[in-house]
Amino acid sequence: KNEVEQSPQNLTAQEGEFITINCSYSVGISALHWLQQHPGGGIVSLFMLSSGKKKHGRLIATINIQEKHSSLHITASHPRDSAVYICAVYSGGGADGLTFGKGTHLIIQP
Amino acid sequence: GAGVSQSPSNKVTEKGKDVELRCDPISGHTALYWYRQSLGQGLEFLIYFQGNSAPDKSGLPSDRFSAERTGESVSTLTIQRTQQEDSAVYLCASSRGTGQPQHFGDGTRLSIL
Repeated sequence: KNEVEQSPQNLTAQEGEFITINCSYSVGISALHWLQQHPGGGIVSLFMLSSGKKKHGRLIATINIQEKHSSLHITASHPRDSAVYICAVYSGGGADGLTFGKGTHLIIQP
Repeated sequence: GAGVSQSPSNKVTEKGKDVELRCDPISGHTALYWYRQSLGQGLEFLIYFQGNSAPDKSGLPSDRFSAERTGESVSTLTIQRTQQEDSAVYLCASSRGTGQPQHFGDGTRLSIL
């Protein structure tokens, strides 16, 4: 079974700071997801990636398959970025559901 | 609507009762997933459907839990003889196929008294 570890668990930063959230996993995967969950529970998929780097607005996600590690970066952070960010991996090969990290609770203060 | 729809959004029931949770996936999405998020816990996988069949039921926590999908569309998750530890948010997601981006519903918050 894949073990997914995220760090930090909690992060408080000032508006405008550059944010990095890390995710590591134990077993090779087919794809990795970064999800965002706001208070109230709705989950939004931010990225799905299997190699390299993806960028969407102020969000950047990278993955290093050899090192089994991914990072989510937020540039010019804003209070509306405050949410829980969850890393999830898809292993494929019959293990069809996602395996989730415990999430990083991010608070951006104005 | 265009997104994944779940009902009810909230359900409060007494211990021992059966509950049925419904998920309407995005039209045309052949893959459908059920997940659970317990208070203070992370998300955990319950069951996956490809079309109407469930090749992976590995996450169902006990035989009180079952799920079905019909018409390659609506899915229902049934919990029989509910226990207090079943209290959680139950989330449904759908995707075009396995390994594709998953779109999540808003979840059903289940509270067992």
